Amino acid sequence: QVQLQESGPGLVKPSETLSLTCAVSGGSISSYYWSWIRQPPGKGLEWIVYIYNSGSANHNPSLKSRVTISVDTSKNQFSLKLSSVTAADTAVYYCAKVKKAGGIFYFDYWGQGTLVTVSS
Amino acid sequence: DIQMTQSPSSLSASVGDRVTITCRASQYISNYLNWYQQKPGKAPKLLIYAASSLKSGVPSRFSGSGSGTDFTLTISSLQPEDFATYYCQQSYDNLLFGPGTKVDIK
Repeated sequence: QVQLQESGPGLVKPSETLSLTCAVSGGSISSYYWSWIRQPPGKGLEWIVYIYNSGSANHNPSLKSRVTISVDTSKNQFSLKLSSVTAADTAVYYCAKVKKAGGIFYFDYWGQGTLVTVSS
Repeated sequence: DIQMTQSPSSLSASVGDRVTITCRASQYISNYLNWYQQKPGKAPKLLIYAASSLKSGVPSRFSGSGSGTDFTLTISSLQPEDFATYYCQQSYDNLLFGPGTKVDIK
């Protein structure tokens, strides 16, 4: 059973870069797609980006210019960087494993989520 | 861009009720539609993928149907642990979640 655990600072200053890491256990990171999703307090879910081991990534167009995702196979983890953050980026950030079945992508395993607050 | 809507946005129901939630896409998305359940303070959990396929381990009282632009999630007999928020998600054009439907106790 795949397990995911997010880690990173819980507080980021406006205009700075948010950096999070997701540690994967119970499965090889090389074999699957991986994603980040966020949820502002009291609001719905927003997909951010996903990546496959080859480094091929697909981004939410609304965030693409500020998002970087990467995979570290030696540590079995993947990371998110979101630049130039504002208060609107305050959210619970989830990492998730993506299952691809034909053209259908769905999130079959999720981390517990980590709250990141953007504030000075 | 594809837009997703869900109706109702919230509903109140009793244990044992049959509950139906609708998800509508603004454009054709075939069966590229998944459903999740989220409880407060917890990560979402996958219930249904490809519009009608039940994830292993999910109770059979959950079912999904639809294709094209209109989809439904049905809970045949609502249980106490089913009170939660439900989200649809399409993957036909990027990945996008619907706004959610909150199911609470009547």
